[in-house]
Amino acid sequence: DQQVKQNSPSLSVQEGRISILNCDYTNSMFDYFLWYKKYPAEGPTFLISISSIKDKNEDGRFTVFLNKSAKHLSLHIVPSQPGDSAVYFCAASAGNNDMRFGAGTRLTVKP
Amino acid sequence: KAGVTQTPRYLIKTRGQQVTLSCSPISGHRSVSWYQQTPGQGLQFLFEYFSETQRNKGNFPGRFSGRQFSNSRSEMNVSTLELGDSALYLCASGHGNRGEKLFFGSGTQLSVL
Repeated sequence: DQQVKQNSPSLSVQEGRISILNCDYTNSMFDYFLWYKKYPAEGPTFLISISSIKDKNEDGRFTVFLNKSAKHLSLHIVPSQPGDSAVYFCAASAGNNDMRFGAGTRLTVKP
Repeated sequence: KAGVTQTPRYLIKTRGQQVTLSCSPISGHRSVSWYQQTPGQGLQFLFEYFSETQRNKGNFPGRFSGRQFSNSRSEMNVSTLELGDSALYLCASGHGNRGEKLFFGSGTQLSVL
């Protein structure tokens, strides 16, 4: 049951430009949404989160937008840097730690 | 503060065998979750333990089981291994609060031959 979907398996952007990663969910009970970044041979690391009472959260170059009516969230990275190249996972939680993840999007930032 | 530790790092088994993976959470964390990562499928939720009790469970067959000890360390067991069980198994720990971020270990790469 893929309750969290990342339909773009990969994304390539030029250094300095904006990266936009998208995520859709089906469970209307989800009320916390998180983004994780994963490098090869490492576990995912937390990047940024948003609760359902907000529609935007910023942290430096990273901004997450939530559209509850469309059950859609996105992660914007501005400006993109080569070190941002990694796999990005979207995750959602409906209460306690039953956190569901998407399939991931591989971001490549070209110098 | 030490991070989440998973052992072993790599494991090779044959079909029909069983395997036990270990996870030591960050000190003070009482919640441990397990995930299976395969190419194209992302992180599939296996189960979550909190204070030695399984609190949440994903859609995996009964061959996948786990437990948590009083010191919050957790083990995951897979019996009667199948080729399709080859994956990276990730453990994550947290305080067990609503919507909190999880801290992941580096995973155990299981290969079933």
